[in-house]
Amino acid sequence: ETGVTQTPRHLVMGMTNKKSLKCEQHLGHNAMYWYKQSAKKPLELMFVYSLEERVENNSVPSRFSPECPNSSHLFLHLHTLQPEDSALYLCASSQGATGGTTRNTIYFGEGSWLTVV
Amino acid sequence: AQSVSQHNHHVILSEAASLELGCNYSYGGTVNLFWYVQYPGQHLQLLLKYFSGDPLVKGIKGFEAEFIKSKFSFNLRKPSVQWSDTAEYFCAVRGNNRLAFGKGNQVVVIP
Repeated sequence: ETGVTQTPRHLVMGMTNKKSLKCEQHLGHNAMYWYKQSAKKPLELMFVYSLEERVENNSVPSRFSPECPNSSHLFLHLHTLQPEDSALYLCASSQGATGGTTRNTIYFGEGSWLTVV
Repeated sequence: AQSVSQHNHHVILSEAASLELGCNYSYGGTVNLFWYVQYPGQHLQLLLKYFSGDPLVKGIKGFEAEFIKSKFSFNLRKPSVQWSDTAEYFCAVRGNNRLAFGKGNQVVVIP
């Protein structure tokens, strides 16, 4: 039990489908993140939400659309994805996302394995 | 923006051997340093972290890491590995409000 729960754990979708990944954190944190983990590449930060406001968007294609309805929930809406989007998508949370001296540790969920066919 | 380098992506060693994984980063300001581990089929877990103080940090499962500021390094060590240490290890550096990860080291321990 990590305190960060992601569903579904596995998702296979066609390129014309619309699906969503869900993340819920039970740690009382106020910042949440989406990361993409592809084989043989560094973890890529996609989005950062702090106090339910998007504070970072790292040039992610518009076919990925995040939503943060409250500080405990984060969604990643997927639409018309490409096969190269197949990867492990990790949600994470921390107490505080900004501030030069913030000593926040990021806690990760188990990830959602996405396969685009 | 800072970058993180981890060399020797694949490491294979026998049980009881010593392990050292290198981590170098490029950011010149104040940093927080982390090592995460991902066991097969499991989520990323924090192994240890450095914020300030003693540059030699003790983590879980007998791991330690040493922060050498002059070398911009935060190498991970374990004197005697076990089969259960088979995992992927990620170094991460937070500087200027940004957290960057290395590409990871895939470590396989042979019984």
